[in-house]
Amino acid sequence: AQSVTQLGSHVSVSEGALVLLRCNYSSSVPPYLFWYVQYPNQGLQLLLKYTTGATLVKGINGFEAEFKKSETSFHLTKPSAHMSDAAEYFCAVRFNAGGTSYGKLTFGQGTILTVHP
Amino acid sequence: DTEVTQTPKHLVMGMTNKKSLKCEQHMGHRAMYWYKQKAKKPPELMFVYSYEKLSINESVPSRFSPECPNSSLLNLHLHALQPEDSALYLCASSPGQGYNSPLHFGNGTRLTVT
Repeated sequence: AQSVTQLGSHVSVSEGALVLLRCNYSSSVPPYLFWYVQYPNQGLQLLLKYTTGATLVKGINGFEAEFKKSETSFHLTKPSAHMSDAAEYFCAVRFNAGGTSYGKLTFGQGTILTVHP
Repeated sequence: DTEVTQTPKHLVMGMTNKKSLKCEQHMGHRAMYWYKQKAKKPPELMFVYSYEKLSINESVPSRFSPECPNSSLLNLHLHALQPEDSALYLCASSPGQGYNSPLHFGNGTRLTVT
């Protein structure tokens, strides 16, 4: 069955430390991958999206994600955390529905990032 | 600033009320979506409109009725809701329904059903 999993519902880092948020998918065909961020009482903002052929994707606010087909992963990283990065992060995938023009966007369970001074 | 505008930001309604949520985008996007997000959960798809026609209904109860009057507007009509329908309702749009087409979300309407 096709699925998306975010490892760790909560991640806590110190300001200036590396941020690593994990996302794995289960699918026989690589899906279309996205990362979104949600700040309290707001909607979701697109951080980045996977483009076929590129393994390292750069997004906004200094975030980037690496696509590893062999590991079926699309982990999100940022070299140095900032207090303003505290939010909830969602990995989202569109699985190839095989011949149809639409793939439902499915979200992972989310990871809450806390940044300590 | 979000390019998808949702009104109202907050809504409290009784179980016998009729109310509507509104969503507007001026990015020329041809697909629009309604999502429901419960506390501490990811968004769940409710409806998808493509070129102003309903293309997907995720088995949503009939007390939720979507409407797309034109390519820029999306409404969600609410009637006889239950307390468990209290949630953040998010509207989103995308250039198309293609696989690589990212969704742009509004800030949502926080709905409380009493």
